[in-house]
Amino acid sequence: AQSVTQLGSHVSVSEGALVLLRCNYSSSVPPYLFWYVQYPNQGLQLLLKYTSAATLVKGINGFEAEFKKSETSFHLTKPSAHMSDAAEYFCAVSELWGGSQGNLIFGKGTKLSVKP
Amino acid sequence: DTGVSQDPRHKITKRGQNVTFRCDPISEHNRLYWYRQTLGQGPEFLTYFQNEAQLEKSRLLSDRFSAERPKGSFSTLEIQRTEQGDSAMYLCASSLGQGARNEQFFGPGTRLTVL
Repeated sequence: AQSVTQLGSHVSVSEGALVLLRCNYSSSVPPYLFWYVQYPNQGLQLLLKYTSAATLVKGINGFEAEFKKSETSFHLTKPSAHMSDAAEYFCAVSELWGGSQGNLIFGKGTKLSVKP
Repeated sequence: DTGVSQDPRHKITKRGQNVTFRCDPISEHNRLYWYRQTLGQGPEFLTYFQNEAQLEKSRLLSDRFSAERPKGSFSTLEIQRTEQGDSAMYLCASSLGQGARNEQFFGPGTRLTVL
């Protein structure tokens, strides 16, 4: 069975600083991995996804993530934080059995705060 | 707006009452998922439909929960005899295709409070 662990429930950075949100996964098969962002009182929006193509994945709003099989990691980064990046971020793995189910298994989330 | 919509956005009910939520997916999306999100947690899978067929139910979905997707369009999630532990955000998502790699588009959620 697949699982996801997000290290750090709360990360605080200064505006303009590097953002690094950590995600480690567990999967017995090649995983499909996703990062979603959730703003207060809103649904989840996809930032980026890894589906076994390029290991460095670029997403929206300047975010990117690198799939590292040897470390079972899929950390999310952004070179320079903006105030508008303050939100909760979820890493997820797509559950695979029978090859086509596709429901997502989420981590507990990391709340990002950006200080002016 | 052609995104996923959910109704109502907020529901307050008394313990023991029945509630029903509705989800309208993106038109022509064949897959529809329900998730539950409690405070401080990520969303947890409840059930999903491929067109009108309910193909999988999580063990989180007790006998008090039932979901339908008649005609493969909108879906409803009903909770009977609500309990305080049912208080959560209920999220609906839809996707196109059958693969596990396809993006799921989420609605804004229905926040349920059981008093």
